[in-house]
Amino acid sequence: GQQLNQSPQSMFIQEGEDVSMNCTSSSIFNTWLWYKQEPGEGPVLLIALYKAGELTSNGRLTAQFGITRKDSFLNISASIPSDVGIYFCAGRNAGGTSYGKLTFGQGTILTVHP
Amino acid sequence: DTAVSQTPKYLVTQMGNDKSIKCEQNLGHDTMYWYKQDSKKFLKIMFSYNNKELIINETVPNRFSPKSPDKAHLNLHINSLELGDSAVYFCATKPTDHYGYTFGSGTRLTVV
Repeated sequence: GQQLNQSPQSMFIQEGEDVSMNCTSSSIFNTWLWYKQEPGEGPVLLIALYKAGELTSNGRLTAQFGITRKDSFLNISASIPSDVGIYFCAGRNAGGTSYGKLTFGQGTILTVHP
Repeated sequence: DTAVSQTPKYLVTQMGNDKSIKCEQNLGHDTMYWYKQDSKKFLKIMFSYNNKELIINETVPNRFSPKSPDKAHLNLHINSLELGDSAVYFCATKPTDHYGYTFGSGTRLTVV
């Protein structure tokens, strides 16, 4: 089946640092999404991207839909302790139905030291 | 009111038992999903329903049977539970016009 390669698998950073993570796919995607999951909770949508080259911000978060449609990245600026969690990329491939089946990356575990 | 609520939150049961997990949404979304998250946090789709109709079944053992009695509910029944079924199961919903799923807070199933 389809796979999304998300990297890095984990990050340990100091409060105030910027963070960057990315996702690549072997196939073309029409939609890229970024989610954050906190312990004991389900993933929560952070940013959705629908067009190749699109750059979207949500507060300190910025994500881009790669021009090739096979990759996306997420940046977090000036990290704070509450940014801790697992970040997932997810994509819907070009051949997907309108029912929205998403494929998820393996997740990036972010730890922020105060 | 929780948008997507799952019950129970935790479920510990013995091998061979049959159990059900329930999901209810008050968002009015047409499409509902079951995802399984394994111990490595990998999220894998299991089933999808659109307006009570099964549209995605991702090679899940037939011990797993989803049921959607109405558009607001999607339940998951598991027969003859096995150790490998231990995982967190998430219900999610999606509106018609975009791909931002809303997830429930998960059901942690432990089979002993």
